[in-house]
Amino acid sequence: GESVGLHLPTLSVQEGDNSIINCAYSNSASDYFIWYKQESGKGPQFIIDIRSNMDKRQGQRVTVLLNKTVKHLSLQIAATQPGDSAVYFCAENGNQFYFGTGTSLTVIP
Amino acid sequence: EPEVTQTPSHQVTQMGQEVILRCVPISNHLYFYWYRQILGQKVEFLVSFYNNEISEKSEIFDDQFSVERPDGSNFTLKIRSTKLEDSAMYFCASLHARQGSAFFGQGTRLTVV
Repeated sequence: GESVGLHLPTLSVQEGDNSIINCAYSNSASDYFIWYKQESGKGPQFIIDIRSNMDKRQGQRVTVLLNKTVKHLSLQIAATQPGDSAVYFCAENGNQFYFGTGTSLTVIP
Repeated sequence: EPEVTQTPSHQVTQMGQEVILRCVPISNHLYFYWYRQILGQKVEFLVSFYNNEISEKSEIFDDQFSVERPDGSNFTLKIRSTKLEDSAMYFCASLHARQGSAFFGQGTRLTVV
């Protein structure tokens, strides 16, 4: 069936460095994508979204890139901070949200 | 800031017992969801609810599961006869418009013993 998945399950970065988290999706009909952050013991929190008519969207310290040709999403976090340590999920909004497996980001002080 | 609230935060139940997990979505939202997350795994879709009926459900959402919006504010998930494998975090989410970001509650940790 259709799936949203992530390339890497874990990522460790030094505080202050930039982080890049990747996501592959297989439903070519998906037209809306979201990145969520999930801290331990909490529900997913919205970070940033992008519609399929865009290639790039920037937020505060975060950028999402969408490559529809290869069905790939990435989340870039600039100047990663310890508070960014969490699991990051990409999700696509079809009739409901399909979540990817998640990447656990650890920021090393 | 409006938020989705879930109660209880933790529920322990005996296998075979019925549980009801409660959610209060954001008040002007129209779409409601239940998800579950088994420890260390991804968030899995269970069911979506719109216009007072189920709009979509996953294969996880079998006859043991049901949802209700009894009074226009609460949104409940009932598991009729819990199994050990139902132990998980259950998240409620709500959405205002058809496309947009869903807002998630903090979850209910269900432990079946």
